[in-house]
Amino acid sequence: DIQMTQSPSSLSASVGDRVTITCRASQSISSYLNWYQQKPGKAPKLLIYAASSLQGGVPSRFGGSGSGTDFTLTISSLQPEDFATYYCQQSYSPPRTFGQGTKLEIK
Amino acid sequence: EVQLLESGGGLVQPGGSLRLSCAASGFTFSNYVMSWVRQAPGKGLEWVSAISVTGDTGYNADSVTGRFTISRDNSKNTLYLQLNSLRAEDTAAYYCAKTLGIRGGAYYYGLDVWGQGTTVTVSS
Repeated sequence: DIQMTQSPSSLSASVGDRVTITCRASQSISSYLNWYQQKPGKAPKLLIYAASSLQGGVPSRFGGSGSGTDFTLTISSLQPEDFATYYCQQSYSPPRTFGQGTKLEIK
Repeated sequence: EVQLLESGGGLVQPGGSLRLSCAASGFTFSNYVMSWVRQAPGKGLEWVSAISVTGDTGYNADSVTGRFTISRDNSKNTLYLQLNSLRAEDTAAYYCAKTLGIRGGAYYYGLDVWGQGTTVTVSS
């Protein structure tokens, strides 16, 4: 199985900050990488698919990059509604494993 | 409106069984690979299972292989997850989710629509 490792596990930042979250796969997954946002008590929301494609309706301040084993999610200017937990997921092969999550908190 | 509605969760004793259902509406269900994802209380997301569009191929996480079975009925627009030999560590909210489908000639397995979740509690 492909293991997905996110860093950091938690992050404190302020409104307006630029934030980067990293995800590393245990083997090459090409660009088959997705990013999700989850708020407490809610289902996850797809932000980015295929490493860098923005899902419809997602603000352009969210961006994804990477290929192979190393990927990043960048939020260019944090907004109050962005404080949440973020997960990466590989969709290269089943089981389509998730990273352990990165909790983004207000500083 | 595209919607997924799970049902069938509840309290069950260790070793027991449950069948979860997910009713889909607002899209052509038979065109999409469907998945189950779970989340234990206070923990992260765990991919559990997926099924092909025709229902003839299923995939499971190692943690549930041999105990959980995914299926679908395209005539009823419904996805199922049969949970057998339940353990305390299976306690979680279970979400069904729809994959993105074909974009630009390729199939993408990102999960773009999620249900609200149904809770399974395994306890004596």
